[in-house]
Amino acid sequence: GAGVSQSPSNKVTEKGKDVELRCDPISGHTALYWYRQRLGQGLEFLIYFQGNSAPDKSGLPSDRFSAERTGESVSTLTIQRTQQEDSAVYLCASSRGVNTEAFFGQGTRLTVV
Amino acid sequence: AQSVTQLGSHVSVSEGALVLLRCNYSSSVPPYLFWYVQYPNQGLQLLLKYTSAATLVKGINGFEAEFKKSETSFHLTKPSAHMSDAAEYFCAVSDRGAAGNKLTFGGGTRVLVKP
Repeated sequence: GAGVSQSPSNKVTEKGKDVELRCDPISGHTALYWYRQRLGQGLEFLIYFQGNSAPDKSGLPSDRFSAERTGESVSTLTIQRTQQEDSAVYLCASSRGVNTEAFFGQGTRLTVV
Repeated sequence: AQSVTQLGSHVSVSEGALVLLRCNYSSSVPPYLFWYVQYPNQGLQLLLKYTSAATLVKGINGFEAEFKKSETSFHLTKPSAHMSDAAEYFCAVSDRGAAGNKLTFGGGTRVLVKP
């Protein structure tokens, strides 16, 4: 596609439910990133995929968070047993490779009630 | 480990005045440095990047930034603010190594432009 696409754009869920957030990167981009942006705060790194290498999961805040990527295409970020502190905008980005510009999607706004 | 500090979470400037957003970084290896802008209800857009060529980098919309290794800084400037510059600005750093370009972001600076 023309840009990074994320779905849904908004998600309201009840505390304790699981959610899946989807990211479609730009075609041909080998690198894919997930970030979290809490209200009024900067971007917090979550996880990074680069080609077929093992993902860098160092930013995942707890074992309730996981992410998968199929080859060099779609990625899903899963949050299990959501908590209110998980409420944030989850941003996905992709880039052509190492040290190249990352293009961001418009994010998924997650609200846990 | 890398880190980025943006001084001032909010900056207010008058239309036509200089915009100066401060960014200091720490990195154990020579870094790549980026400025991103986020307009309301939109995703992040790259303004400019430093990748070891000229230390003064020009970006879109009249913005520029200067890499100063001795000061570990990468401040963003624009000579004359426009109303359309109202947005949040993020400085980011990544390692120059082949291990990947995980971006580490600063906390952001929200710019308000007064008429």
